[in-house]
Amino acid sequence: GAVVSQHPSRVICKSGTSVKIECRSLDFQATTMFWYRQFPKQSLMLMATSNEGSKATYEQGVEKDKFLINHASLTLSTLTVTSAHPEDSSFYICSANSPGQGYGNQPQHFGDGTRLSIL
Amino acid sequence: DAKTTQPPSMDCAEGRAANLPCNHSTISGNEYVYWYRQIHSQGPQYIIHGLKNNETNEMASLIITEDRKSSTLILPHATLRDTAVYYCIVSPGGNEKLTFGTGTRLTIIP
Repeated sequence: GAVVSQHPSRVICKSGTSVKIECRSLDFQATTMFWYRQFPKQSLMLMATSNEGSKATYEQGVEKDKFLINHASLTLSTLTVTSAHPEDSSFYICSANSPGQGYGNQPQHFGDGTRLSIL
Repeated sequence: DAKTTQPPSMDCAEGRAANLPCNHSTISGNEYVYWYRQIHSQGPQYIIHGLKNNETNEMASLIITEDRKSSTLILPHATLRDTAVYYCIVSPGGNEKLTFGTGTRLTIIP
């Protein structure tokens, strides 16, 4: 089935560092990918919609200059957390929609997430 | 805001059927009902989805009421590995974003 791969699975770095997270669709092309953030004991919150070949669409309250999204190909989207601070520590998850075939709409598939810890 | 409401938690005995309810009274005609689950520290896993007919796959069954205002996810023979947070989401599908509510924390009891 459709698989979405995320890398790295865990990052620990110092405050002020920029961190890049990759999201790849392994066996399908994804014109749209989504980036979510999840704080402990909370649900997933959508941060932005990544569109191949165009600018990302950010949800209200998400700083586009801090969370840079690049969707340069049909199988790769990257999220860069610039000048990360401890409050950016969270679980970041991406998803992509596999192409629809036949009946109905196909579900989104999620990566395994990236746990970011800023010291 | 999420368009679904779910009980915050449920317990189920191992080997029994787990029935997870979801209310989505404001669902639109073009919206599907999707179910995902999230095991601790992992990304959400797709389970099943449907529009108006009941659906079954190797993981679960989905029962949608005739008026489509509620649904039930059924795990026929729950195992300890089914312990997770289960999310019910309504969406037109395709490249539309998913809005997660708080879900139901299902605990399978040995």
